[in-house]
Amino acid sequence: AQSVTQLDSHVSVSEGTPVLLRCNYSSSYSPSLFWYVQHPNKGLQLLLKYTSAATLVKGINGFEAEFKKSETSFHLTKPSAHMSDAAEYFCVVHGSSNTGKLIFGQGTTLQVKP
Amino acid sequence: KAGVTQTPRYLIKTRGQQVTLSCSPISGHRSVSWYQQTPGQGLQFLFEYFSETQRNKGNFPGRFSGRQFSNSRSEMNVSTLELGDSALYLCASSLGGYGGELFFGEGSRLTVL
Repeated sequence: AQSVTQLDSHVSVSEGTPVLLRCNYSSSYSPSLFWYVQHPNKGLQLLLKYTSAATLVKGINGFEAEFKKSETSFHLTKPSAHMSDAAEYFCVVHGSSNTGKLIFGQGTTLQVKP
Repeated sequence: KAGVTQTPRYLIKTRGQQVTLSCSPISGHRSVSWYQQTPGQGLQFLFEYFSETQRNKGNFPGRFSGRQFSNSRSEMNVSTLELGDSALYLCASSLGGYGGELFFGEGSRLTVL
């Protein structure tokens, strides 16, 4: 069965400093992994996805994530945080082949301080 | 290209009533999935429809049901509402293949009193 664990429920950084949001996954086969972001009272927006083409995945708004099979991790990073990055971030694994079922982590709230 | 549209955006019901939520997917998308988001349980998969057939189902009671029409629009219904059904219900559409991106609507926020 597939699952994801987000290691931090809340992360606080200062504007201009790096962001690291941690995610570990469990999958019985080669996973498809995603990071989604949710701003207050909004739906979910895809930041980036990994589907085995390259281990370092670049996404929108300067975010990137590295797939590490040996560590079963898919951490999200950004070199320099902006105030507009404050939101909730979800690490997600595709639940099974050929379906629209996603399994979400519990989410990490990113706070960006001025 | 229009995004995923969910209606209504907000609604208030009382216990015992039923509710129907609607989702119009992105044009050309044949898969529609539904998710429930609550502070305590997070985001949980309800069910997915592909070409009018339920393809996958989460662990929710039978009071939660859905359907998909020939134009890919989908509805979900919750009968005999309980206080715990208060949540943000999100719909997502995709082309339907593995690893494909799901595009989410802004959700329907249901409050049960």
